[in-house]
Amino acid sequence: NAGVTQTPKFQVLKTGQSMTLQCAQDMNHNSMYWYRQDPGMGLRLIYYSASEGTTDKGEVPNGYNVSRLNKREFSLRLESAAPSQTSVYFCASRTSFYTGELFFGEGSRLTVL
Amino acid sequence: KQEVTQIPAALSVPEGENLVLNCSFTDSAIYNLQWFRQDPGKGLTSLLLIQSSQREQTSGRLNASLDKSSGRSTLYIAASQPGDSATYLCAPNRDDKIIFGKGTRLHILP
Repeated sequence: NAGVTQTPKFQVLKTGQSMTLQCAQDMNHNSMYWYRQDPGMGLRLIYYSASEGTTDKGEVPNGYNVSRLNKREFSLRLESAAPSQTSVYFCASRTSFYTGELFFGEGSRLTVL
Repeated sequence: KQEVTQIPAALSVPEGENLVLNCSFTDSAIYNLQWFRQDPGKGLTSLLLIQSSQREQTSGRLNASLDKSSGRSTLYIAASQPGDSATYLCAPNRDDKIIFGKGTRLHILP
């Protein structure tokens, strides 16, 4: 019962470095999401993909790019990391927005020095 | 834009008490609403999904109600236990831009 799997779980970067967070789901879900969670700010949507081949901006997309590689995988890329991107990142998926129970991964904790 | 408010922000109660967590939202044109719990350092775990056509949904000691027209949902926890200590979040679902409340941090005192 893998569900939603995120890698890596922890990462430390220096300012200006790039990295990609990987997310994969094995539930045949159409929609996938990337959130960040910061103390006092709650969960904020970065990008989402309503179906394979589509991606859209959420509330806080600046500084990020995404790729929906196939139906299972949705990656989040930081091209030039900044300290403000220090956060916990969560990937989530569901069948579709009008039916959907949302399932989350365990999170990826990113620190940018 | 949907705004979601959860009251109270934090709550401490003795073990065994029944309690109610509140969630209000500004845009009532939702398809469903989901309640989650989050343990420290962990991801979100789905507790209940209540469809817009439903008034209530139950799972064990948990009962969620939804009053879509007034933009409110409550999560009732019966006979609370120390293991219920966590942060509880609600997410009303209108479209793909799911907006979460900031949660209620619950502490059950043994």
